[in-house]
Amino acid sequence: NAGVTQTPKFQVLKTGQSMTLQCAQDMNHNSMYWYRQDPGMGLRLIYYSASEGTTDKGEVPNGYNVSRLNKREFSLRLESAAPSQTSVYFCASSEVGGGTEAFFGQGTRLTVV
Amino acid sequence: QQQVKQSPQSLIVQKGGISIINCAYENTAFDYFPWYQQFPGKGPALLIAIRPDVSEKKEGRFTISFNKSAKQFSLHIMDSQPGDSATYFCAAYYSGNTPLVFGKGTRLSVIA
Repeated sequence: NAGVTQTPKFQVLKTGQSMTLQCAQDMNHNSMYWYRQDPGMGLRLIYYSASEGTTDKGEVPNGYNVSRLNKREFSLRLESAAPSQTSVYFCASSEVGGGTEAFFGQGTRLTVV
Repeated sequence: QQQVKQSPQSLIVQKGGISIINCAYENTAFDYFPWYQQFPGKGPALLIAIRPDVSEKKEGRFTISFNKSAKQFSLHIMDSQPGDSATYFCAAYYSGNTPLVFGKGTRLSVIA
């Protein structure tokens, strides 16, 4: 049982480059989330998908786009990477919303130079 | 606007001591309060959670104390061990498909 799988684990981008972070869960969860974690800032919600076919902005959505490809997969896209997007990105899923246990992936460490 | 305020930002505790992390919230509609534990290089994982119909929940060495009138809740780690060294996040949730709201985290170091 893999849980939540994120790819890649590490990435270095040049300013202005684009990339997509992939996330897949095998727990048949309805809700999926993307967070970024920065020192002293905790976990900040970028976007979430309450259910297949829906997406909503979180606290820090600027510079990002998401796609809920199907019930299993939720991708995060950086269209034009900036140094301020250097962070550790976590994908998570839960059965239904925040009132059920959230399972996190191992994270993607992204550096934008 | 930060909806869940967590303190302290970092904490050093002697092995065998009690670690206490506090959180305060503003939204009285919150009705589920989990704590997540994160080890270096890993994603957070659910540690323990409480709903406001009880004032305390204990699981092994970990206890959540909840004060509804003060809008505060705290995590107590009894007999703290070096293996408890991690970052701890409190969180809150209030309805439907809304996501969790996290505190900023507390880095706990338990020293021998």
